[in-house]
Amino acid sequence: DVKVTQSSRYLVKRTGEKVFLECVQDMDHENMFWYRQDPGLGLRLIYFSYDVKMKEKGDIPEGYSVSREKKERFSLILESASTNQTSMYLCASAGQEVTKNIQYFGAGTRLSVL
Amino acid sequence: GQNIDQPTEMTATEGAIVQINCTYQTSGFNGLFWYQQHAGEAPTFLSYNVLDGLEEKGRFSSFLSRSKGYSYLLLKELQMKDSASYLCAVRAPGSGNTGKLIFGQGTTLQVKP
Repeated sequence: DVKVTQSSRYLVKRTGEKVFLECVQDMDHENMFWYRQDPGLGLRLIYFSYDVKMKEKGDIPEGYSVSREKKERFSLILESASTNQTSMYLCASAGQEVTKNIQYFGAGTRLSVL
Repeated sequence: GQNIDQPTEMTATEGAIVQINCTYQTSGFNGLFWYQQHAGEAPTFLSYNVLDGLEEKGRFSSFLSRSKGYSYLLLKELQMKDSASYLCAVRAPGSGNTGKLIFGQGTTLQVKP
């Protein structure tokens, strides 16, 4: 079974803090993704990575950065957390099939910025 | 651009059948996914359609019509544990082998006794 592990289920941070969200997958997948999920807005892609040290912006990258130093680990960084970044953050990974390429998700990190 | 529409909420009765619709507009179609997400949990893969027609998997079936930009997820013999959000997603145009998806807002299904 594919396992995608996010380091924290719940986080509470203060405005202005630097926040690291970690994600690890055990399936040797090339592709990894960070989403945020908000009521009424669905899943929105923040960044994704298709290889070590490679990244592409998603739909809402502002205020976020990412790091992929090792294939299994993809980190999301909030350089200076703001209250509008309070959300559920989901990490996912996928292989390299051209057709049926399933994304596997972690359990999510619920971040509250006070 | 890309757009995916699904109803926000649905309610159904235990033992019944429910159909969750999804319409999409995309510049290049290359596959549609359905995911299930229980409250507070990770989305999990349910089904994949790339050709027109019905794909059946136990109590769940998914249908696709590419010409109409339309899919539905059919849940039969509803159980209380089917109460969840159901996410429709299409492969992003030009996504190649990255697995990149565009998600709809999700449909929250409540199953009542």
